[in-house]
Amino acid sequence: DVKVTQSSRYLVKRTGEKVFLECVQDMDHENMFWYRQDPGLGLRLIYFSYDVKMKEKGDIPEGYSVSREKKERFSLILESASTNQTSMYLCASRGLGRSNQPQHFGDGTRLSIL
Amino acid sequence: TQLLEQSPQFLSIQEGENLTVYCNSSSVFSSLQWYRQEPGEGPVLLVTVVTGGEVKKLKRLTFQFGDARKDSSLHITAAQPGDTGLYLCAGDGGANSKLTFGKGITLSVRP
Repeated sequence: DVKVTQSSRYLVKRTGEKVFLECVQDMDHENMFWYRQDPGLGLRLIYFSYDVKMKEKGDIPEGYSVSREKKERFSLILESASTNQTSMYLCASRGLGRSNQPQHFGDGTRLSIL
Repeated sequence: TQLLEQSPQFLSIQEGENLTVYCNSSSVFSSLQWYRQEPGEGPVLLVTVVTGGEVKKLKRLTFQFGDARKDSSLHITAAQPGDTGLYLCAGDGGANSKLTFGKGITLSVRP
């Protein structure tokens, strides 16, 4: 089974701090994604990556950056955390090749910015 | 931009009832995926429908892909409290593309 592991289930940080959320997948997937999930707004894509050192902006990239130095690891960075970034953050991975590949999600990081 | 509309947004029913929920779009997808997310966990894939008109069954859950591959439905027979969760549909635009997610349907099944 594919396993996507997010480093923290719960995280509390202060406004202005630099915050790192880490995600590791064990299936050699090329594609990795970061979403945030808020009530009534669904899953919103922040950034995604098709390969090592490759990244593309999703729908809501403002205030975030990402890093993918190794294929299995995709990091989300909040440069200067703000209270409106309090949310559930979900990482996912997906293999390339055949169509209809599912996305495999981690269990999420619930981030609170005080 | 491809959009997926899910309805209803919220549904609360009694154990044993049947229900149908929908996932609609004006765009054609190569496939549609349904996920279920339970509180405190990430979404987990339930099924992928690929062919227009396709019907797939997963125990008491029946999934159908529309003939034009623009919409899908999920029917649950004799709902159980364990069916409670957020149901997400996701459209696949083709090989190696991103998935487009709907906002989800929150289902609560009361004992």
